[in-house]
Amino acid sequence: SQQGEEDPQALSIQEGENATMNCSYKTSINNLQWYRQNSGRGLVHLILIRSNEREKHSGRLRVTLDTSKKSSSLLITASRAADTASYFCATAFTGGGADGLTFGKGTHLIIQP
Amino acid sequence: DAGVIQSPRHEVTEMGQEVTLRCKPISGHNSLFWYRQTMMRGLELLIYFNNNVPIDDSGMPEDRFSAKMPNASFSTLKIQPSEPRDSAVYFCASSFSAGRAYEQYFGPGTRLTVT
Repeated sequence: SQQGEEDPQALSIQEGENATMNCSYKTSINNLQWYRQNSGRGLVHLILIRSNEREKHSGRLRVTLDTSKKSSSLLITASRAADTASYFCATAFTGGGADGLTFGKGTHLIIQP
Repeated sequence: DAGVIQSPRHEVTEMGQEVTLRCKPISGHNSLFWYRQTMMRGLELLIYFNNNVPIDDSGMPEDRFSAKMPNASFSTLKIQPSEPRDSAVYFCASSFSAGRAYEQYFGPGTRLTVT
């Protein structure tokens, strides 16, 4: 069953604007990860945030995690046409070894030039 | 590094036929995962291995599905007999886990169509 639910399901913005996507999950987690999927391709890892972290940055990406609300957000600043893709949050329950990820259904982001 | 390699990239087969999907993980990675993606159900974890040993196969939908990892550089996912509802994109992913949280590296996927 799906652990994460992304919101919105689809988002269309102009190039240069910021894009914010949200993710909610149901159970306790060890870490939360965001992945990007371009049409017809495999998933690419973007960023990982542990349950004891509240915010993390990587280039134009900013991720927040609120474990009390069981939610996370992904912010992409100064969006580019190449950012057009589907974005998924994924949760892992343990961090001490191999653990399969539980994915949400994704947000489809379209950046209009 | 070539990344995770999956074959075939596309497979079209008739209902009732056996299908075998193949995966070569990234060299040095010790965990391997099989996922399935459909429009209806999204991305689902089917099974994963750690050091070639199956850890959790609770996501395998039915006994028609089986997976093996005979060595650290090769894994197969087999469907026998295949059914139209098995049509999906099947992803293999690998990672290196050493006692901490980690990211997974995905292959390009195998698009399976069962007619």
